[in-house]
Amino acid sequence: GAGVSQSPRYKVAKRGQDVALRCDPISGHVSLFWYQQALGQGPEFLTYFQNEAQLDKSGLPSDRFFAERPEGSVSTLKIQRTQQEDSAVYLCASSSQGNSGANVLTFGAGSRLTVL
Amino acid sequence: AQRVTQPEKLLSVFKGAPVELKCNYSYSGSPELFWYVQYSRQRLQLLLRHISRESIKGFTADLNKGETSFHLKKPFAQEEDSAMYYCALKNSGGYQKVTFGTGTKLQVIP
Repeated sequence: GAGVSQSPRYKVAKRGQDVALRCDPISGHVSLFWYQQALGQGPEFLTYFQNEAQLDKSGLPSDRFFAERPEGSVSTLKIQRTQQEDSAVYLCASSSQGNSGANVLTFGAGSRLTVL
Repeated sequence: AQRVTQPEKLLSVFKGAPVELKCNYSYSGSPELFWYVQYSRQRLQLLLRHISRESIKGFTADLNKGETSFHLKKPFAQEEDSAMYYCALKNSGGYQKVTFGTGTKLQVIP
């Protein structure tokens, strides 16, 4: 596609509900990142995929957070039993190169999650 | 651990005045540094990266390894420069984790 597409753009969930956020990266982009951006803060790293392999999930805040990219393209970030502190904008970014080179991240518009 | 510090949450300058957005980093290896910008109602996007040694929209940034800094500068601010600016660091290791600072809001006063 022309850019990184994220859906839904806005999600309101009741505390305890499960949510799934989708990211469709630029076609052919090897690397995919998820970031969490709380109000007034910078993007905080959650997890990184190279193709279908999840190489780093050190930023996932708890075992309620799970991400997958089964075919190396579309990725889903799932949050189980949502809590109010999960309220944030979830950003997806992709880039074209793997391990080498200076890679530029192309960001999606983000999914704004509000947990009531 | 890699860390990026942007000490100013808000920087207000008058149109035509010089701008300097500060960024300091900590990283044990040889990092790659970037500046990303987010204009109102737009996506986060790359402004410039240190390896390119380029000037984008009049902005430049020099990597100072001795001071572990990567400050963003522009000699004459324009109203359209008003935006959130994020400094970011990519590790030089096996894979490309990118760490962002907390951001500085630049407000250019007409």
